[in-house]
Amino acid sequence: GQQLNQSPQSMFIQEGEDVSMNCTSSSIFNTWLWYKQDPGEGPVLLIALYKAGELTSNGRLTAQFGITRKDSFLNISASIPSDVGIYFCAGQRLLNNNDMRFGAGTRLTVKP
Amino acid sequence: KAGVTQTPRYLIKTRGQQVTLSCSPISGHRSVSWYQQTPGQGLQFLFEYFSETQRNKGNFPGRFSGRQFSNSRSEMNVSTLELGDSALYLCASQTGSDTEAFFGQGTRLTVV
Repeated sequence: GQQLNQSPQSMFIQEGEDVSMNCTSSSIFNTWLWYKQDPGEGPVLLIALYKAGELTSNGRLTAQFGITRKDSFLNISASIPSDVGIYFCAGQRLLNNNDMRFGAGTRLTVKP
Repeated sequence: KAGVTQTPRYLIKTRGQQVTLSCSPISGHRSVSWYQQTPGQGLQFLFEYFSETQRNKGNFPGRFSGRQFSNSRSEMNVSTLELGDSALYLCASQTGSDTEAFFGQGTRLTVV
């Protein structure tokens, strides 16, 4: 099925810098989810968004559900070394049954 | 509250063999979805089960099958393994549709 367009693919930043990544799609979604995955582990849910325009924070993380329902972004402020990992966006649309699509991921490297 | 449990964590199989992976969802969650994750293809949706019924299916060959039991635990089976089936297999559990999906740690399958 059609995956989401997530960018950037990778980021190399200095500790303390802010980070921004986003996902777009040609389809409308009911829910946007952001995950972080460490090597060899399953994705861990960071933030869930349920309403167009919704802005939600979780500590240094902030995510928004786009007004058009076709996009979402994730910001990380004041990055620290443990932010290293791969961040995935996921969109869910409630058709006849559950339908969740994923972005290809943003690989974040934080230099101390 | 226990998270999503996948067993085994690691598995090595030979081409042509078959394999069964297990996923125990979070207590009270009735939806279990399975994904294949490879470096080149990202997260690819296999199928979703809800209340013992397959509700959604991705574009994988018939060698990939699954089932869900009355206690919501799910298994996926891959028959006639191929080298290209080597991947991290993830399951995610949800209470129902359009809700937060929580992932297990995954089963790393290596086909030799």
